[in-house]
Order: sequence, then C-alpha cells, then structure tokens
Amino acid sequence: SQQGEEDPQALSIQEGENATMNCSYKTSINNLQWYRQNSGRGLVHLILIRSNEREKHSGRLRVTLDTSKKSSSLLITASRAADTASYFCATDLSQGAQKLVFGQGTRLTINP
Amino acid sequence: GAVVSQHPSRVICKSGTSVKIECRSLDFQATTMFWYRQFPKQSLMLMATSNEGSKATYEQGVEKDKFLINHASLTLSTLTVTSAHPEDSSFYICSASSFNRKQPQHFGDGTRLSIL
Repeated sequence: SQQGEEDPQALSIQEGENATMNCSYKTSINNLQWYRQNSGRGLVHLILIRSNEREKHSGRLRVTLDTSKKSSSLLITASRAADTASYFCATDLSQGAQKLVFGQGTRLTINP
Repeated sequence: GAVVSQHPSRVICKSGTSVKIECRSLDFQATTMFWYRQFPKQSLMLMATSNEGSKATYEQGVEKDKFLINHASLTLSTLTVTSAHPEDSSFYICSASSFNRKQPQHFGDGTRLSIL
C-alpha cells in the first residue's frame, strides 16, 4: 500500500501565487524526497530532506518536515506556468536499497 | 546531472507479444535499478528492484514470470513483459541509483505500453 498521502489531489492557482502541497506518511523514514513529473514523462528530483532536518530551501522551493506529525510540505513561491506538473513525495524507508514509496501526488496547474 | 535513458518511449503491439524495455545509466554506474508502473493519474508503484549481477527482488503481487528483469551490467537493466495482454497496458518507468546513497534516484522518461 502507498506510504504517502498527499493533499490536495489537485491545485489550480494564478501565476505568481504560491503553491503549497502536503504529504503525510505512516512509518519512520530515512529521508523524504519531492519529485516533479510533467505529463507523460519521467520524474525529476527536486529536493531531499533527511529525517533529522526540519526545513530545506532550493531556489523557489521550500520543504518542511515534521517527523512528530509524519508530514512534509512543499512550497513553490512565485509560481510560473512552467511549474504546471504533478508533484510527488517519496519516502525512503530503508538503510540499504534506497527503496522509495511514493505518495498519490498533487496535480498543480498554474494559470497564466 | 546524471542521465538515465529509457527505450522505447512508446510501444503499441498485439496481445500475446513480448515486449522488452531497456533502461541505461549513461554517465554513472547504477548498482541498483528500479522498475515502476504508473496507471493514468495515479502514483508510481514499485514493481521490482534489481541489483547488478543478481536476481531481481519483486514486490508483492508482481508476477516474476510475467515481468522478467535482467541487470547484467552496471549500466543496463531490461524489463520484459512476456505475453502481454491489454491489462498490462501502462506507463513503465525505470530509475537508477549508485552505491553512493547520498545521491537520489535518477529516472528515465518512461515507456508507454499499449496492448491491443
């Protein structure tokens, strides 16, 4: 079964606004990663946050992790039309094979 | 950045055909490769994990005789869907990672498989 639950399932905002997506998971993790997927394409790695980290930034991306609540959020600031995609969180549970368990994803649409 | 090439990008074939999908790491040694399946508007479901030179580890519910995985070298893994049927139609994505676990997985662009 899927480890992660994401909300919202779909989000539509105007260009320039901020987009926030949330991810919850069930078991202890080694790290949590966020990926972007454009329609019909593979996944692009965005950011990785380790279980001992609480916040991480990369350009217009800000990720938080709350291990006590088993949740993470991805914030995209000053959104652009090119940010339109599906966003997935993925949890790395193991110490060995780097096996990822993906959430259901959030379909983000940025309206020009 | 690291590049993973997946081929073909799209396959359309008749029911009963076996289809082979290749996943290549172009600029790093992939000690581990992963194969995922994704249905429309759904998430990725891990099918199997393959380590170079050893048998693949399949997830529960995935038929190993149906989905044959070979990881013969540090740069190539193949997934063969044997005797494919319409219910096997899906988007198949591979990813690769190196022994250095500090690096994230790198994903191929996926293969759209359509069985008529």
